Amino acid sequence: EIVMTQSPATLSVSPGERATLSCRASQSVSSNLAWYQQKPGQAPRLLIYGASTRATGIPARFSGSGSGTEFTLTISSLQSEDFAVYYCQQWYTFGQGTKLEIK
Amino acid sequence: EVQLVESGGGLVQPGGSLRLSCAASGFTVSSNYMSWVRQAPGKGLEWVSVIYSGGSTYYADSVKGRFTISRDNSKNTLYLQMNSLRAEDTAVYYCARLYYDILTGSAFDIWGQGTMVTVSS
Repeated sequence: EIVMTQSPATLSVSPGERATLSCRASQSVSSNLAWYQQKPGQAPRLLIYGASTRATGIPARFSGSGSGTEFTLTISSLQSEDFAVYYCQQWYTFGQGTKLEIK
Repeated sequence: EVQLVESGGGLVQPGGSLRLSCAASGFTVSSNYMSWVRQAPGKGLEWVSVIYSGGSTYYADSVKGRFTISRDNSKNTLYLQMNSLRAEDTAVYYCARLYYDILTGSAFDIWGQGTMVTVSS
């Protein structure tokens, strides 16, 4: 069973700054990696799939990179609506999430 | 409009049963991989079950033998029959479409709004 580990658990960043979130797989998953954003009381929203392809309607400030076991989600200039919890996912396994909070 | 709408959640006693429904619009359930994902209060996302377009079904170990995923093609609806419910099954249950492409892999691209299941005496 592949385990997905996200870091950090909580990230404090100021609006307008860059945020970098990490996801590590316990074994290679090639580029089969997706990222989701979840706000309180809402369903998760797909941001990135195939490690680096933005989903429909996702702003360009969101970008994904990596392959194999190391992946990164970067938000280039944080907007107020970006503060949320972010999850990575590979097939039927989710990471434990990173909470992005306002500094 | 592409949409998933869950229903059927509620309060049930330990050992009881509940059936969740997920009505789809804008696409055909039977032509896609469809899943249930749950989220316990204050916790992360946990995959529960999947039904492939061909009809094969798979379950997380935590629910195997207790939960059954199915679909009604005529109603374009996904179901989750939950039996022998435990306190640890308390969660928001989401249905989601699992997109798969040989080049880009898999992702849950469409989600319902979720339905709350509380198992308590």
